[in-house]
Amino acid sequence: SQQGEEDPQALSIQEGENATMNCSYKTSINNLQWYRQNSGRGLVHLILIRSNEREKHSGRLRVTLDTSKKSSSLLITASRAADTASYFCATVAPSGAGSYQLTFGKGTKLSVIP
Amino acid sequence: DAGVTQSPTHLIKTRGQQVTLRCSPKSGHDTVSWYQQALGQGPQFIFQYYEEEERQRGNFPDRFSGHQFPNYSSELNVNALLLGDSALYLCASSPTGTDTQYFGPGTRLTVL
Repeated sequence: SQQGEEDPQALSIQEGENATMNCSYKTSINNLQWYRQNSGRGLVHLILIRSNEREKHSGRLRVTLDTSKKSSSLLITASRAADTASYFCATVAPSGAGSYQLTFGKGTKLSVIP
Repeated sequence: DAGVTQSPTHLIKTRGQQVTLRCSPKSGHDTVSWYQQALGQGPQFIFQYYEEEERQRGNFPDRFSGHQFPNYSSELNVNALLLGDSALYLCASSPTGTDTQYFGPGTRLTVL
């Protein structure tokens, strides 16, 4: 089953605008990660935010985490056509014996129009 | 340093057949996880291998099995293929005890 639910399912913006995607989840987590996927290819890790962090930045990416609301958001500033992709949040929780399980949402499909 | 590699890139099978997908982890990574991603969905966890043993399993039937070799590479086997097994199969590797996984490009399986 998928724990994370991204919102919106699809987003279309003009190049240069900001894009915001939201993720809600159901259970306790160690951390939450965001991944990007281009055209049904492999997933690229973007950023990780731990459960004791509220905000994190990486280049044009800004991630927030609200554990009381069990939600996270990903903001991409000054979007580019190359940002066109599907974005997934994944919650991470320990699953015993030093292993961690990632549980993904259904993703947000972002289209950036040049 | 090569990342995670998977083979083949694409595969077409018919219902009832069996398939084997392969994954080579990133150098220094000893844990391999497999995911199934149906069209328009997020990846679903199949199982994870560490020290040549299945350490954890998602909600997938026994038709899905795997193996990990001493060099940490891994195989995913699916028996008695169903149309619903058509998906992108992703392999991810990580050093044990860490919580970030690195994904390969995937194998696109089509079952006719």
